[in-house]
Amino acid sequence: AQTVTQSQPEMSVQEAETVTLSCTYDTSESNYYLFWYKQPPSRQMILVIRQEAYKQQNATENRFSVNFQKAAKSFSLKISDSQLGDTAMYFCAFMKAYSGGGADGLTFGKGTHLIIQP
Amino acid sequence: NAGVTQTPKFQVLKTGQSMTLQCAQDMNHEYMSWYRQDPGMGLRLIHYSVGAGITDQGEVPNGYNVSRSTTEDFPLRLLSAAPSQTSVYFCASSRTGSGNTIYFGEGSWLTVV
Repeated sequence: AQTVTQSQPEMSVQEAETVTLSCTYDTSESNYYLFWYKQPPSRQMILVIRQEAYKQQNATENRFSVNFQKAAKSFSLKISDSQLGDTAMYFCAFMKAYSGGGADGLTFGKGTHLIIQP
Repeated sequence: NAGVTQTPKFQVLKTGQSMTLQCAQDMNHEYMSWYRQDPGMGLRLIHYSVGAGITDQGEVPNGYNVSRSTTEDFPLRLLSAAPSQTSVYFCASSRTGSGNTIYFGEGSWLTVV
């Protein structure tokens, strides 16, 4: 079984600053996917960014980027030029990779509540 | 452009009552799943299905039943509700194969009194 740990229950930064959210995971799998999801007060789960473990290059989506350190089992999310709309819960999640089209589900961390101050 | 639709959005049950949370998707996704989210926790997997007629247990399956008779629908049944099942429930779907984008419904708030 795998576990995902987010050690920062809450973070607060000023608008336009850069913030980094931490995530570590534990797994014996060699091939997997890692995700960051955003959950605003509406509770909708919104995919922010995805990383394939076999890819060394860190994923980037506009202002969002990750620092993926496979050996250290670390997967942090960096938000640049933070905006008020970034205020939300952020969840790190793990999914084992299956060959042949199989799948099970996501394992989530407990989340980090990010507050962007005006 | 409905995506993943969950009903009802809010429900209050008495202990021991049964109910079904409905989930439907219109994206022809083979993979569907149910999660629950409790305060201070991330989502936890209850049951999942990789196609019609195929279901499997996730991390927290006790007290819940599922079936998958069609590709579009994946209902979650609570046979005898307990206060410990008070939670927010999310249905999700994706194309088959791990790593594909998982689309979530808007959640169903369930309170068991």
